[in-house]
Amino acid sequence: GQQLNQSPQSMFIQEGEDVSMNCTSSSIFNTWLWYKQDPGEGPVLLIALYKAGELTSNGRLTAQFGITRKDSFLNISASIPSDVGIYFCAGRGGSGGSNYKLTFGKGTLLTVNP
Amino acid sequence: SAVISQKPSRDICQRGTSLTIQCQVDSQVTMMFWYRQQPGQSLTLIATANQGSEATYESGFVIDKFPISRPNLTFSTLTVSNMSPEDSSIYLCSVSPGLAASSSYNEQFFGPGTRLTVL
Repeated sequence: GQQLNQSPQSMFIQEGEDVSMNCTSSSIFNTWLWYKQDPGEGPVLLIALYKAGELTSNGRLTAQFGITRKDSFLNISASIPSDVGIYFCAGRGGSGGSNYKLTFGKGTLLTVNP
Repeated sequence: SAVISQKPSRDICQRGTSLTIQCQVDSQVTMMFWYRQQPGQSLTLIATANQGSEATYESGFVIDKFPISRPNLTFSTLTVSNMSPEDSSIYLCSVSPGLAASSSYNEQFFGPGTRLTVL
């Protein structure tokens, strides 16, 4: 089945620094979604990407859908303490009848030191 | 967007018992899903809840262990049957409001989760 490699697994940064994380896939996706999960909560959708090469921003967050359709990255600029959490990438759009299912990365744990 | 609520938010259960988790959405949605998230892990799809028909289960999950109901387009339940400590996990309801089985282009939202501990 499809596999997503998300990196890095964890990051420890100082407040104000920029952050970058990415996901790569062994196969093509039609949709990339980025989520943030706080402790004890469900994942919250941050950005959705639907087109190869698409670059989308949501406040201090920017995400891109890779040209090859096999990768995506998420950047966070000028990090603040509330950015702490686990960030997940998810891809959708496999072949056959499974193209409605999301495949998730293993997550990036972000810690921001005030 | 869709607002999703789950009940209960958490529970502690005894081995061998069953727990039913409810998921309510504030609007009609085409597709509803149930996920499991074990401590420190990513999300694993249990099944797709189909309105008016049997759920579609992923490999490793069976209907006898995780029966699912979906009586309408805004509500679904997941039952964790004959529980063991290995079932301790967060169970998440998820919806994709406009998604069709033949289309991959759509957002997907998650409920707050149900944190289950089995003793």
